[in-house]
Amino acid sequence: AQSVTQLGSHVSVSEGALVLLRCNYSSSVPPYLFWYVQYPNQGLQLLLKYTTGATLVKGINGFEAEFKKSETSFHLTKPSAHMSDAAEYFCAVSGPLVWLTFGGGTRLMVKP
Amino acid sequence: EAGVTQSPTHLIKTRGQQATLRCSPISGHTSVYWYQQALGLGLQFLLWYDEGEERNRGNFPPRFSGRQFPNYSSELNVNALELEDSALYLCASSLRQLTDTQYFGPGTRLTVL
Repeated sequence: AQSVTQLGSHVSVSEGALVLLRCNYSSSVPPYLFWYVQYPNQGLQLLLKYTTGATLVKGINGFEAEFKKSETSFHLTKPSAHMSDAAEYFCAVSGPLVWLTFGGGTRLMVKP
Repeated sequence: EAGVTQSPTHLIKTRGQQATLRCSPISGHTSVYWYQQALGLGLQFLLWYDEGEERNRGNFPPRFSGRQFPNYSSELNVNALELEDSALYLCASSLRQLTDTQYFGPGTRLTVL
């Protein structure tokens, strides 16, 4: 089966500070891992994904994530937060199931 | 290239009624997925259609059903609406299964009164 845990339902950072959103997964096969962002009253937008190959994945808007198999983690980071980064972020896994299994989401707040 | 589109944007129904939600995938995508995002329950997988067939469904009662048309667009039907069906229903499409990214539409907000 497959499952995802996101540590911290709310994360608050100051503008310009490091953003770190945590994600741990469980999968019985090599997983495919995704981070999506959701702005209020909108659908999900893909930030980045890991399928195979390089474990450090770069995405849009300056975000990146590192796949660590030994830690079963796929944490999302951004060196410097911007006010426009305030949104809800979802980590998701597929494998062995085809559909996505999502974590509970982390709401990121950015203080001026 | 047009993204995934969903209609209507908002839908208000009363208990016991039926709701029909529609989704058009990205051109060339054959797989369509439906997810429910209900307050306090997170994002849950509902249904998966591929090449016109229902391939799998999540842990939802049979009154949640749907279909996929020859042009790969899809319809989600919810019968005998209950208050707890109020949620954002998201549709996603992909090229193939498992390895390909699922691209999401803007969602349909269903409110059951």
